[in-house]
Amino acid sequence: NAGVTQTPKFRILKIGQSMTLQCTQDMNHNYMYWYRQDPGMGLKLIYYSVGAGITDKGEVPNGYNVSRSTTEDFPLRLELAAPSQTSVYFCASSFGAGQGDWGNQPQHFGDGTRLSIL
Amino acid sequence: QKEVEQDPGPLSVPEGAIVSLNCTYSNSAFQYFMWYRQYSRKGPELLMYTYSSGNKEDGRFTAQVDKSSKYISLFIRDSQPSDSATYLCAMSAPVDDKIIFGKGTRLHILP
Repeated sequence: NAGVTQTPKFRILKIGQSMTLQCTQDMNHNYMYWYRQDPGMGLKLIYYSVGAGITDKGEVPNGYNVSRSTTEDFPLRLELAAPSQTSVYFCASSFGAGQGDWGNQPQHFGDGTRLSIL
Repeated sequence: QKEVEQDPGPLSVPEGAIVSLNCTYSNSAFQYFMWYRQYSRKGPELLMYTYSSGNKEDGRFTAQVDKSSKYISLFIRDSQPSDSATYLCAMSAPVDDKIIFGKGTRLHILP
């Protein structure tokens, strides 16, 4: 069972370039999330989606865009890369809030994309 | 006051010792509490999940929640070098779409 798969694992971009970070999950989860993790700063939520066609901003959405056309995929797009976007990006998914015996479902993470903007 | 506070460490303990990791929080609406373990260059993986107050045990790991003090703990018994990782606490309120994470505590178990 693959879980949450992120590609690429590593990428170096030049300032002003654009790219899409891919995320796919095979657990039939409704909810998907994008985080960035900087050293000593914990996980910061960029965008999230509670289902196909629905997206919402998190804590740090500026400079990023997302789309959710299918349940499985939740790509994150950087339009004009800036050095401040150098980070490790994690995608996560869950069954969401108020679902099943566990109430709010915990999130399952991919192994991240390490992105450097030079 | 931040919603979730967690000492970043690093915390170094000898192999076999009992480890105590803690988080405090300010939002009394939080009901679901989680601990994630993150190895270097990997994504966080769910370690423990608890609802409301009380204790939960899973092998060498015990999670405690004290809602009256807004304080959660993770205990690791008979610690092993393979337990060396960053441990993140996380919590959420009922029917909330988002989980709030602590910044993580780096733990080193010395052989």
